[in-house]
Parts: sequence; structure tokens; C-alpha cells
Amino acid sequence: AQSVTQLDSQVPVFEEAPVELRCNYSSSVSVYLFWYVQYPNQGLQLLLKYLSGSTLVKGINGFEAEFNKSQTSFHLRKPSVHISDTAEYFCAVFYTGGFKTIFGAGTRLFVKA
Amino acid sequence: GAGVSQTPSNKVTEKGKYVELRCDPISGHTALYWYRQSLGQGPEFLIYFQGTGAADDSGLPNDRFFAVRPEGSVSTLKIQRTERGDSAVYLCASSLGLGQGLGETQYFGPGTRLLVL
Repeated sequence: AQSVTQLDSQVPVFEEAPVELRCNYSSSVSVYLFWYVQYPNQGLQLLLKYLSGSTLVKGINGFEAEFNKSQTSFHLRKPSVHISDTAEYFCAVFYTGGFKTIFGAGTRLFVKA
Repeated sequence: GAGVSQTPSNKVTEKGKYVELRCDPISGHTALYWYRQSLGQGPEFLIYFQGTGAADDSGLPNDRFFAVRPEGSVSTLKIQRTERGDSAVYLCASSLGLGQGLGETQYFGPGTRLLVL
């Protein structure tokens, strides 16, 4: 079955510290990978996506993610977080050949001063 | 419009009632998606429209749920005989619709929060 696992439901971190939010998905032949962010009382917005090419993808607000096919992972990283990064982050996978995008359960990033 | 809009933003209804949730996609976007997000979960796919037709409705949980998009723009999600378990945030998203195989970015609306008492 197709599934997306976000290993941490909550990640507390101090301001200016680095952070990694983990995402693993069930293996498949071909996938597109996405990270979305949901700020409090706002809709989901795209942070970055991987379709093909370089496995290191850079997105908005200083975030980046690395596609690792052998480990079926797409972890999100930021070298130095800000208070304003406090939000819920969702990993999503589109299995090519179908129509569905499958989302993980989300990771709540809480940045402390 | 500038983004995807959804109305109402909140809907409270009683068990057994009928509800309609509306989605207005970004102008020019031919692809439209409905998701359901329960508390503490990620969005769960319900249905995907390409133009007026539902290309994939495999995520609709049962026959109480139905969605239409008669003119290929606005879409309505309809829920009959609501149950308490239907309480969730219902999200709508749209994309250009040039082809699912292109990995298009989906643009999400703010959602409708449905509470069934």
C-alpha cells in the first residue's frame, strides 16, 4: 500500500538552531515528492518539490530537502530556524501513474526563543 | 481570484442533515481536488476533477459523499445524512491541469471546518 510516514509528530527547537524533519514513503517505481507548510489559521502552501534531476532541492524560506531513493526518504532541513518558522509541515508523495497525492500526518515545528 | 476560496469557512450542522461545501479555484486552473483533514492528520484525498469530470473519486468514503463541477470551475462537495465522524476540515486545491504526470503544484484554499453535532 502507498503510505507516507513522518517520523516525528512534534519537533521543538531553539531559534537559530538547525532542524531536520523526517519523511519516508513506501517504495514505488516513480514518485514526485513535496513538502507543504501550514501556518496557524492559514492554508497549505508549497515549500519545495522534487520531480527529477538533482536530489537536493531548495525551496522558499531557506528550506531544502534531499531525495534518497535507496532509503525512500525525503527529509526537510533548515540550517538556522526563526520563530516565524513555527508551523505544521506536511510531506506528500505523488505516485506517478495515478491521480492521488498522499500526505503524511504532519510534523509540528515549534521554534523557541 | 487571487487564490482558491472556500465557503463557508465554518459549518455546524446536526447529525442526519445535508450539507454543501463550495470551492472556487484559481481562474484558469482545470484540475481541482478535494481533501479531508481530520484532527492531527494530514489531508486525505477524496476526489480529483479534470475539467468537469471526476477523473478519480476513489477517496470518497461512501455513497453519502458526492462532488460536482458542472462548468469546470466552481465545485461543490455534497454530504448527505451527515454523521459525527464527518467532522473535519475539508480542503480544496487547484492546479493548472496540464497533466498529472507533470507533478503540478497544488494551491490550497483555507478550508471549511465542518462540525456535525
